[in-house]
Amino acid sequence: AQSVTQLDSHVSVSEGTPVLLRCNYSSSYSPSLFWYVQHPNKGLQLLLKYTSAATLVKGINGFEAEFKKSETSFHLTKPSAHMSDAAEYFCVVKETSYDKVIFGPGTSLSVIP
Amino acid sequence: DTEVTQTPKHLVMGMTNKKSLKCEQHMGHRAMYWYKQKAKKPPELMFVYSYEKLSINESVPSRFSPECPNSSLLNLHLHALQPEDSALYLCASSHQQGEAFFGQGTRLTVV
Repeated sequence: AQSVTQLDSHVSVSEGTPVLLRCNYSSSYSPSLFWYVQHPNKGLQLLLKYTSAATLVKGINGFEAEFKKSETSFHLTKPSAHMSDAAEYFCVVKETSYDKVIFGPGTSLSVIP
Repeated sequence: DTEVTQTPKHLVMGMTNKKSLKCEQHMGHRAMYWYKQKAKKPPELMFVYSYEKLSINESVPSRFSPECPNSSLLNLHLHALQPEDSALYLCASSHQQGEAFFGQGTRLTVV
């Protein structure tokens, strides 16, 4: 069975400092992994995806993530936080063999001016 | 066209009402999904349709009834809901290996 753990329910950073949002997954098969962002009262926007190609994945707005199979991790990073990055971030796993898309519990990112 | 369109955007219904949520995509995706999202919580998977057949039902109460009339449309029929069913209902679609594309959701209030 697949599952996703996001180790921090809330992360607070100062504007201009690095962001690290942690994600670990459990999957029986080779999964596809994604990060989505949700701003308040908005829909879900895809930040980036890993689908068994390069392990370092670059996404939109300066975000990137590295897939580490040995650690079953897919942590999200950004070198310099911007105020507009304040939002809820979800790590998502998809087992392509049967189309099941499962969300992690989410990490709320606050950016302090 | 990379959009998933959901209607209505907002819905208020009584506990004895019958209503339907609609979802449409024209990306040729084989899989379509319904999720329920409560405030400050992640989306919870309800149903998955694969090639127009129901492939996953996450033990959802029968007062929620999904329907996939064709490869572009997905409905969620609602009947005799409870106030605790009030939530944001999200539809999504995807190819086999690709990401899920989400609609903006229907905000449902049961009174």
